[in-house]
Amino acid sequence: EAQVTQNPRYLITVTGKKLTVTCSQNMNHEYMSWYRQDPGLGLRQIYYSMNVEVTDKGDVPEGYKVSRKEKRNFPLILESPSPNQTSLYFCASSAGTAKETQYFGPGTRLLVL
Amino acid sequence: GQQLNQSPQSMFIQEGEDVSMNCTSSSIFNTWLWYKQDPGEGPVLLIALYKAGELTSNGRLTAQFGITRKDSFLNISASIPSDVGIYFCAAQWGNFNKFYFGSGTKLNVKP
Repeated sequence: EAQVTQNPRYLITVTGKKLTVTCSQNMNHEYMSWYRQDPGLGLRQIYYSMNVEVTDKGDVPEGYKVSRKEKRNFPLILESPSPNQTSLYFCASSAGTAKETQYFGPGTRLLVL
Repeated sequence: GQQLNQSPQSMFIQEGEDVSMNCTSSSIFNTWLWYKQDPGEGPVLLIALYKAGELTSNGRLTAQFGITRKDSFLNISASIPSDVGIYFCAAQWGNFNKFYFGSGTKLNVKP
């Protein structure tokens, strides 16, 4: 089954404790992206990747890092999480020629205390 | 960043009614998209629009890319209970790899 998976689905952590949210897709998609969803703000793009070793900033990249060492994986790293990074995070992927048809993962709900 | 103003924020309608929602911006976009998000899940693409003035349907859904390239609307005809969810507009501008989303319209349908 074609899908985007994220782990963990729920995470409670404390300020400053490094964490990684994994994202994996099994569709051989070139394009992958991370979003955060906050009430009243919709989804905001954090980072995206056009292909292996090619990443670029979205609209709200501050406080986040990403890497794309393999085509299927696109982890989101919070080196020093802060409470304002409490949010619902979505990973998405799409084929390079149809980037608008993004397939979203189920989401990761993060609470930073 | 770019801002998409989506309205209404929420709607409470009776099953069978038609629904209309829209997105406006002060910026020009190359692509307009409409997504639906069910509770506890990620958004799913409903309709993609690529040209100013384009009108596209997907079953009971119809969306249009505004002629000024600064707005789009989504209509749902004869709503049913499974239409319940949050609908998001999204747009791409210039760099086709960046996406901007509206704040969402929460739709409630009473059977």
